[in-house]
Amino acid sequence: QKEVEQNSGPLSVPEGAIASLNCTYSDRGSQSFFWYRQYSGKSPELIMFIYSNGDKEDGRFTAQLNKASQYVSLLIRDSQPSDSATYLCAALISGYALNFGKGTSLLVTP
Amino acid sequence: NAGVTQTPKFQVLKTGQSMTLQCAQDMNHNSMYWYRQDPGMGLRLIYYSASEGTTDKGEVPNGYNVSRLNKREFSLRLESAAPSQTSVYFCASTGTGTGHQPQHFGDGTRLSIL
Repeated sequence: QKEVEQNSGPLSVPEGAIASLNCTYSDRGSQSFFWYRQYSGKSPELIMFIYSNGDKEDGRFTAQLNKASQYVSLLIRDSQPSDSATYLCAALISGYALNFGKGTSLLVTP
Repeated sequence: NAGVTQTPKFQVLKTGQSMTLQCAQDMNHNSMYWYRQDPGMGLRLIYYSASEGTTDKGEVPNGYNVSRLNKREFSLRLESAAPSQTSVYFCASTGTGTGHQPQHFGDGTRLSIL
């Protein structure tokens, strides 16, 4: 089974700080990577996706991809209590299906 | 614009009973998916349908069957429910293209099997 690994956390950061969430993957054939946010009891919602090496920014969020090292990260700037959720990293496999990590729990404290 | 709609939202079954979870999308997406989510296990793919008329097994297909009824609808059936199938089930869909299309999720079905 090709793996997507995430630290389960919880990752605790103070309000206004930068939260850094990391993900590694084992399948070098994976081309696209997705970050989803999931609040407790809710469905996953897409934050960003990335498929090129380097950084991709969208508002307070920056996704980073390093294919040589097989890791993906998500930075959240100016973290807010409303960012407290579980963040799921996923890699596209077989051209259609996503392989999800188990998620990192983020807690932003006021 | 409903997106991905799942029914029912909650269900309690007894061991051995059967049921079908329904999923429909109104985004004209070609690909549809069924996942289960258990505490500490993340989302695991049960079955997917890359296009109308095709279905493929995912990571955990045992005990489940699927039907891609048409382009909009993709159902998941439990023929003989077992307590190990207690979980939250999510349906998702995605369009075709370069492979960078994100999946859109329904609100989930919370299933308990006693």
